[in-house]
Formats: sequence, C-alpha cells, structure tokens
Amino acid sequence: NAGVTQTPKFQVLKTGQSMTLQCAQDMNHEYMSWYRQDPGMGLRLIHYSVGAGITDQGEVPNGYNVSRSTTEDFPLRLLSAAPSQTSVYFCASSKTGKNNQPQHFGDGTRLSIL
Amino acid sequence: SQKIEQNSEALNIQEGKTATLTCNYTNYSPAYLQWYRQDPGRGPVFLLLIRENEKEKRKERLKVTFDTTLKQSLFHITASQPADSATYLCAPDSGGGADGLTFGKGTHLIIQP
Repeated sequence: NAGVTQTPKFQVLKTGQSMTLQCAQDMNHEYMSWYRQDPGMGLRLIHYSVGAGITDQGEVPNGYNVSRSTTEDFPLRLLSAAPSQTSVYFCASSKTGKNNQPQHFGDGTRLSIL
Repeated sequence: SQKIEQNSEALNIQEGKTATLTCNYTNYSPAYLQWYRQDPGRGPVFLLLIRENEKEKRKERLKVTFDTTLKQSLFHITASQPADSATYLCAPDSGGGADGLTFGKGTHLIIQP
C-alpha cells in the first residue's frame, strides 16, 4: 500500500531557483491538496484540486503553481524560490473534497532555500 | 476570521493515566471535526472524525467529544502508553465547500514511563 508518495524527501535550493515537488497517490482519490508546515504556524493550505483539470487556491498560494493533469499526480511548482518558502511541504488526498473525508498525508518534503 | 486553539505547551502524562487534549474554535460553527496524530518527520495520520450532531465518538482507547455550545472538542487517550507520545492535531472543517481542513497548531503529548 503506497498511499501518498512525495519526492524528494529533502531539497536545498538557492534563492531564485525553480523546482517541482512531486506528489502521487494510488487510491483513486478525487481530492488532493498541498500544505506547508512551519514552526508555530501549523499546517496551512497552499492549493487544492477536486479532480483532474481543476485546481484552486488555498490560504497561502503566492509563489506556487499547481496543475492536475491526471487523477494520480498533483505537482507543486516553486517558480522562483525565496527564503520565506523554507518549510516542510505535505501533500494530502481524500476520496472527495467533502470535509467529512479523512485526509491521507505523505511524509513530506523538507525544503531549504538559501 | 476562523480561529483554532490548541494548548501549545507540551502535555506530560504518566503512563497508565488518561491524557486529555483540548481544541477550541471561534467565529464559526464547523459541521465536522477531525483529529490527527503526527510523529516527528512524518505526515499527519487520521485518527477520528466526529460530526456536529454527535456528542462522543470512540475508537479503542481513544475518545473524542464535540460540544458545539462551548465550541470545543476534547480528545482523550485512556490507559496511555509511551507509544502514544506524539503531536496531536485538531482539524475542524473550514466551513465552506471543498476548501480543505483548517488545522490547529497541535499539542505535543509526552507519556512518561
């Protein structure tokens, strides 16, 4: 049971570089989302998708892009990395976008921007 | 705006006792509330979901209550064990459509042998 798989697990970038954080799920879940977790801030929603071809912004979307071309994959792109984007990023999925659904999380990508 | 409060200080409990964690929310009325466990270096793991019309939900040694009048949920672990040591996150629904969950900052629980 793979569940939600995130790659890479760790990454160090220089300011201004771009990169894509990968997220894949094998549970045929419609809903996928990205959160960032910072000390003292808790988990904050970046972007989410209710199905292939549909994405929307969460609480902190600036500096990030997403796309959902397949049900399984939901990559998160940093266009021009900034030190403020140093964080742990979690991808999550659920059967539907309804708030009565448990979220399944990956184990995160730890990103440092120098 | 919506606000979720969990005790930010670590909670130290002796093994075998009942641990009780608190989640308070303000400025809205969620229809559902979820609890998650997070271990260091890992993603959150779903534990329990309770609906607004349910007063209490149980799963093995875990019990969750949901008081919509007090705007509070309590999470209990009975007969606590050192393996229960983790951070526990409260997550009421965001109050509108498919907006994901709004998470509290979590309470770090330490069960001492």
